Amino acid sequence: DAGVTQSPTHLIKTRGQHVTLRCSPISGHKSVSWYQQVLGQGPQFIFQYYEKEERGRGNFPDRFSARQFPNYSSELNVNALLLGDSALYLCASSFGAGGYNEQFFGPGTRLTVL
Amino acid sequence: KNQVEQNPQSLIILEGKNCTLQCNYTVSPFSNLRWYKQDTGRGPVSLTIMTFSENTKSNGRYTATLDADTKQSSLHITASQLSDSASYICVVTFNDYKLSFGAGTTVTVRA
Repeated sequence: DAGVTQSPTHLIKTRGQHVTLRCSPISGHKSVSWYQQVLGQGPQFIFQYYEKEERGRGNFPDRFSARQFPNYSSELNVNALLLGDSALYLCASSFGAGGYNEQFFGPGTRLTVL
Repeated sequence: KNQVEQNPQSLIILEGKNCTLQCNYTVSPFSNLRWYKQDTGRGPVSLTIMTFSENTKSNGRYTATLDADTKQSSLHITASQLSDSASYICVVTFNDYKLSFGAGTTVTVRA
């Protein structure tokens, strides 16, 4: 069975552009969470979606948005990119939304903003 | 201020030796604590999970402990192998579903 998949693997953008990152959860998982991991730091929570509804949001500006589709896949959108948005963006899926549900992480999308 | 602090930031050990990583947290209300292993450029993989009532959990050569009173956890790696070289991240779940990540400890195992 396939794990969490993310696309693209790597991405290079320039300041001011927008980007869309995609995530497909493990089959049967209904919750998707997005994290930003800056080099040398632990992941920071951006969003959690469960059953297509936003369940939680971290301390990120409104330039960051996300949605979850009926098939439970998800997109993360970032507008007006800044140099500081350069990071590894991780998607994690879980069966449910509660904290005891193990989150399975994808390989991440490496975003570089020039 | 990060509510999950890990130390050391990095360490180097010889193959076959043991090591212990520390995690202190202040987040509340506590739900559970996980240790993840993250290889370079890859997503984290869960090693152990402990709830308030559990004070030790093992997964092969990895043993995690939790002291919920002092809000401290440790991850002990026994008989280290080259493949143990990775970042180990302590993650605390609070308010039922919110996760707070530590910055990780980078472990390098040398032959």
